[in-house]
Amino acid sequence: NAGVTQTPKFQVLKTGQSMTLQCAQDMNHEYMSWYRQDPGMGLRLIHYSVGAGITDQGEVPNGYNVSRSTTEDFPLRLLSAAPSQTSVYFCASSRQGPLGETYEQYFGPGTRLTVT
Amino acid sequence: GQNIDQPTEMTATEGAIVQINCTYQTSGFNGLFWYQQHAGEAPTFLSYNVLDGLEEKGRFSSFLSRSKGYSYLLLKELQMKDSASYLCAVRDRRYGNNRLAFGKGNQVVVIP
Repeated sequence: NAGVTQTPKFQVLKTGQSMTLQCAQDMNHEYMSWYRQDPGMGLRLIHYSVGAGITDQGEVPNGYNVSRSTTEDFPLRLLSAAPSQTSVYFCASSRQGPLGETYEQYFGPGTRLTVT
Repeated sequence: GQNIDQPTEMTATEGAIVQINCTYQTSGFNGLFWYQQHAGEAPTFLSYNVLDGLEEKGRFSSFLSRSKGYSYLLLKELQMKDSASYLCAVRDRRYGNNRLAFGKGNQVVVIP
């Protein structure tokens, strides 16, 4: 199993450009999520999904869109990049229990994004 | 929010024991996770507590007191490879039992 994969590993964008960060998992997990990690801020939840066709906002959703057309894939789109979106982005997945509870999350290797 | 608090950094000697604390405030607590994150890498899962008490996993143990809103991670027989950031994360039933809120992490530096 590859686990959770993310592409690209590094990206530099100019202000106003758009791009999609890719995330895929091969563990058949229902739950997938996107976090950003900034120095001194910890991991903050951007968007998450509890299954194909279902997405919801996390703590810091502004400027980002997601979709979940398959169980495996959960891309994150930056609509118009801003310097404040310079960060490390992690995708994660988890199985869910009968009450919708998530268990340990498996993280992808991260995408280091710089917006100039 | 969940108001998760962790001290920021500590230094310890190889072979020693270190305790990393995490306090939280939420009315919807439903589980606490500990993750390890080496510099430049992704977090990896260490342990999970949902009931009060101690969970032991080799050199790592995690303790939870729900009444005190408190957890700690105990690292025994420290090795150089344990130098990392340790993150606690709280699962909150107010958000459907699936979202995690992470603390800012505690950086542990192991010295010879």
